[in-house]
Amino acid sequence: EIVLTQSPGTLSLSPGERATLSCRASQGVSSSYLAWYQQKPGQAPRLLIYGASSRATGIPDRFSGSGSGTDFTLTISRLEPEDFAVYYCQQYGTSPITFGQGTRLEIK
Amino acid sequence: QVQLVQSGAEVKKPGASVKVSCKASGYTFTGYYMHWVRQAPGQGLEWMGWINPNSGGTNYAQKFQGWVTMTRDTSISTAYMEMSRLRSDDTAVYYCARGDVQLGHDHWGQGTLVTVSS
Repeated sequence: EIVLTQSPGTLSLSPGERATLSCRASQGVSSSYLAWYQQKPGQAPRLLIYGASSRATGIPDRFSGSGSGTDFTLTISRLEPEDFAVYYCQQYGTSPITFGQGTRLEIK
Repeated sequence: QVQLVQSGAEVKKPGASVKVSCKASGYTFTGYYMHWVRQAPGQGLEWMGWINPNSGGTNYAQKFQGWVTMTRDTSISTAYMEMSRLRSDDTAVYYCARGDVQLGHDHWGQGTLVTVSS
């Protein structure tokens, strides 16, 4: 199975700053079937990015995704208070579908 | 709008079974796979498998083969996930999520907490 490793485990930043989250795959991700999800406490995950770089419906343009093959990045250009949450990457091109372990984005 | 509404929280004893439902609305139920994902307390997301509501075909993660069964009832646009032989480490929130070939999991249910305790 494809193992996804996210870094850092925790990222401490202030509102207005730029956040860069990394997701590295143990082998190439098929056709960039790489997604990013945001999860807040007590809520279900929400799809942010699919196909490595396409924003899901209703997602603000401060969220962007990039990468291909084995290295992917989620960037939040200017952090808003509501962006502090846990972020997961997921590959859905090869069975079994796998998730990274998550990056916690916390207020500094 | 797309909605996935799951059944309520469950408390079960070790060795028992549980069946969680996920009622879909706002789209053609048979047009999208339904996936199940679980999350143990304070932990990350774990994919369990999917069901094709059109054919009833399933694909389970190896870890869940033999003790998880996914079914559906197309007449009421509802998917089910049944787990047998529950253990304490199956305590988790179980989510259903609509699977789109291009988008991944674009809509999620609200989650169902299953607690396994003696």
